[in-house]
Amino acid sequence: RKEVEQDPGPFNVPEGATVAFNCTYSNSASQSFFWYRQDCRKEPKLLMSVYSSGNEDGRFTAQLNRASQYISLLIRDSKLSDSATYLCVVNRPNFNKFYFGSGTKLNVKP
Amino acid sequence: SAVISQKPSRDICQRGTSLTIQCQVDSQVTMMFWYRQQPGQSLTLIATANQGSEATYESGFVIDKFPISRPNLTFSTLTVSNMSPEDSSIYLCSVLARDRRTEAFFGQGTRLTVV
Repeated sequence: RKEVEQDPGPFNVPEGATVAFNCTYSNSASQSFFWYRQDCRKEPKLLMSVYSSGNEDGRFTAQLNRASQYISLLIRDSKLSDSATYLCVVNRPNFNKFYFGSGTKLNVKP
Repeated sequence: SAVISQKPSRDICQRGTSLTIQCQVDSQVTMMFWYRQQPGQSLTLIATANQGSEATYESGFVIDKFPISRPNLTFSTLTVSNMSPEDSSIYLCSVLARDRRTEAFFGQGTRLTVV
């Protein structure tokens, strides 16, 4: 079983739509959780960390459910510039390893 | 944040040859990693580059194929040896931020094509 699993998409949505991605992780020892964004032919960049209490950054909201071992990302009022691949990432600090999901591709269309 | 310079950004190589990729960080970092991202896939950790000692390789990756150097806390190299077309991929250097060790930063990547 993969450490981190995501729906690869693509999610094709119109501008202004709200879209949500989910991600599940297999190891309950995972301690840190992130969403990274990767544009085509670019390196991944941190979008936001995910905290147990949930957190919001502008149009982006991340939630963590430890009991069910899943992480979500909600994007409101989608912009064309949100088109990218979103990577779910978990970390087990004791091992200093990051585990990446395969990514969910988002296409925001005019 | 950490600024990472990775070179070369891309290369086309003949099979059987080797390519060395360099990763330079603008500050001293404890943890440096090398990842591979094959077309349409996510990132796979190749190894952790340890300063002053041998790298720690993940399952499926060996030192003879991917020798790594880490002479100091700001620099590392990854060599892809005896290349075959299956090695065509993007190779990424990554570091953990010293002040926030749980955040990873990435170099721009090296796009390798083996012909």
